[in-house]
Amino acid sequence: DAGITQSPRHKVTETGTPVTLRCHQTENHRYMYWYRQDPGHGLRLIHYSYGVKDTDKGEVSDGYSVSRSKTEDFLLTLESATSSQTSVYFCATTQGSYEQYFGPGTRLTVT
Amino acid sequence: SQKIEQNSEALNIQEGKTATLTCNYTNYSPAYLQWYRQDPGRGPVFLLLIRENEKEKRKERLKVTFDTTLKQSLFHITASQPADSATYLCALDPNTGTASKLTFGTGTRLQVTL
Repeated sequence: DAGITQSPRHKVTETGTPVTLRCHQTENHRYMYWYRQDPGHGLRLIHYSYGVKDTDKGEVSDGYSVSRSKTEDFLLTLESATSSQTSVYFCATTQGSYEQYFGPGTRLTVT
Repeated sequence: SQKIEQNSEALNIQEGKTATLTCNYTNYSPAYLQWYRQDPGRGPVFLLLIRENEKEKRKERLKVTFDTTLKQSLFHITASQPADSATYLCALDPNTGTASKLTFGTGTRLQVTL
């Protein structure tokens, strides 16, 4: 998994609670991404980062925020989790505009 | 709106045959097209990248073609093996600058049987 870890790997939470997912990389890659994967939709980009403190929105950013205070860490926060945010979340990194390296994923269930 | 279509039904083939997977897109002008492999419960793994000015790219038993006129990419696995069984995703990259913002298809599941 190219030095990418995600935590937690599984989480069950209740509607309305805040949730933070962590992505940690050891490759010193500049770019980091958060995707969600749902049946019938494939992988969809939530937010991405092109450097420390530099982030931007992706296709499905509503209800999510991100932060990147260090090169190696990219956090995804669900301010108030909803059932529609039940999904598998993947972090990815890339050094340039080419292939992306994905983490193992976090399975999030919002009840 | 932009749309990427991959065969949603699983592709079942016999070991030793060539598997051909299709990726069609509309309302999109990608600079790059990438193919990834995803095994159950794991993250996607990069396989091949092809640029808009390239017709074909090969890597070992893998071959990708890219036809920007037909708006289609074909992904071939020759001499298929049971270990090739997985879901294969195509992803398009507009290459608009800063970051590589990929748009993924939903994937095609390949099952290679003995």
